[in-house]
Parts: sequence; structure tokens; C-alpha cells
Amino acid sequence: ETGVTQSPTHLIKTRGQQVTLRCSSQSGHNTVSWYQQALGQGPQFIFQYYREEENGRGNFPPRFSGLQFPNYSSELNVNALELDDSALYLCASSRLGQGGETQYFGPGTRLLVL
Amino acid sequence: EDKVVQSPLSLVVHEGDTVTLNCSYEVTNFRSLLWYKQEKKAPTFLFMLTSSGIEKKSGRLSSILDKKELFSILNITATQTGDSAVYLCAVGSGGSNYKLTFGKGTLLTVNP
Repeated sequence: ETGVTQSPTHLIKTRGQQVTLRCSSQSGHNTVSWYQQALGQGPQFIFQYYREEENGRGNFPPRFSGLQFPNYSSELNVNALELDDSALYLCASSRLGQGGETQYFGPGTRLLVL
Repeated sequence: EDKVVQSPLSLVVHEGDTVTLNCSYEVTNFRSLLWYKQEKKAPTFLFMLTSSGIEKKSGRLSSILDKKELFSILNITATQTGDSAVYLCAVGSGGSNYKLTFGKGTLLTVNP
């Protein structure tokens, strides 16, 4: 158990809707990274939040956005959902700035877009 | 574009066998290489390697990094059915905006 929690565990949405996924980081960690994992693929980096600001972004369109709160928890928002957004969404927490580059993952949210 | 390639993509062995999983990479501003085990959902951290030639070991698992040839291997000796999982290799890169780039993973199936 990493201490990283995510909610909800599963979600079904229809095309065009919006979704918000949540992540609580491990105690002592100040950074949250979000990844999208399609079936049979490795996780793909969406973005990272550090000190409540976006600190790096992968190749994802602006309809993927996020927030980090003062307690280091984070949200991932996806607008105008597309069928290809169906995937496992993983968040990972770490402690940036002290050589703590190991990222510890939560159990993920499985999103199905119909 | 950063790239991580794992091989083989899948492997079926019998309990007691030894396996070697491979990971090669091409990234800008390399900082670390990590191995994770993914059984159902959350990837579970196994090792982080930053220096060449230094083996990291945990029980029956071990890993080594070659920064000159840009690859790493993960060895599992005396495999057990509980080792069945997807093994993910990830490379950490970047400066202040550190990120992980993952390979597709190796699906290991250990039969009794």
C-alpha cells in the first residue's frame, strides 16, 4: 500500500460529457503526476503539479486540465470526452526537490466513455 | 521524442525458471530508470537505478543499468506463480519538470 488514494474507482460517461478524477498524495509528498494507461499500453504522462502549479505536460490537448490544492491533493478534469479517453487514469505522488524521484502510484480510476 | 522499448512483450515460463526482462531507452536529460510491477491496477515500485553497473537486489529480483549502452535488465530467479504480472520500465527525465516515460511492459506468466 502506497498511501496514494484515488476516487472514484470506476466511472462510465458518454461522449461530450465532462469528468473530474481525484487523487490524495502520500504523506510527506509535494508533487502529483497524472498518467493515462490505455489497454495493453504503458502509462502515458499527462501532467505534473508541484506547489499548486502545472510543472510539465505531456502530449495531451488542453481539454485535459488539473488542479493541486494546498494539502497536495489533486484533480484531473477532462472536458468534451471522446471514446479514446477510455482508459485507466493513474496518479502518482513523489517528493520533488529532495532527490525523491520515485513516484508511488494510486490504484487508478477506470473510465469508460460510451 | 523520449522512447522506452521493452522486450519481450510477453513471456510464459514454469515455476522455478529464471527470466531476464530487457529495457532500452532514448531520452533527453536522463535522470533515473525505474522498474514497476503491475498486477491489477496500481504499478508497484521495485527499483530505481541512477548509476551504471551497480546491481540492485531485492530477494529474487535484481536489476542493473548500463548508461553507456542505454539499457537495463530485470532478473527474476526461481520464479513463482505470484510473479505473474506486467513489468513496466520507466525512465525519469527532465530538469525541474521531471517526468516518467514508460515502455509498453512485459507480460510475465508463470505456470505451476
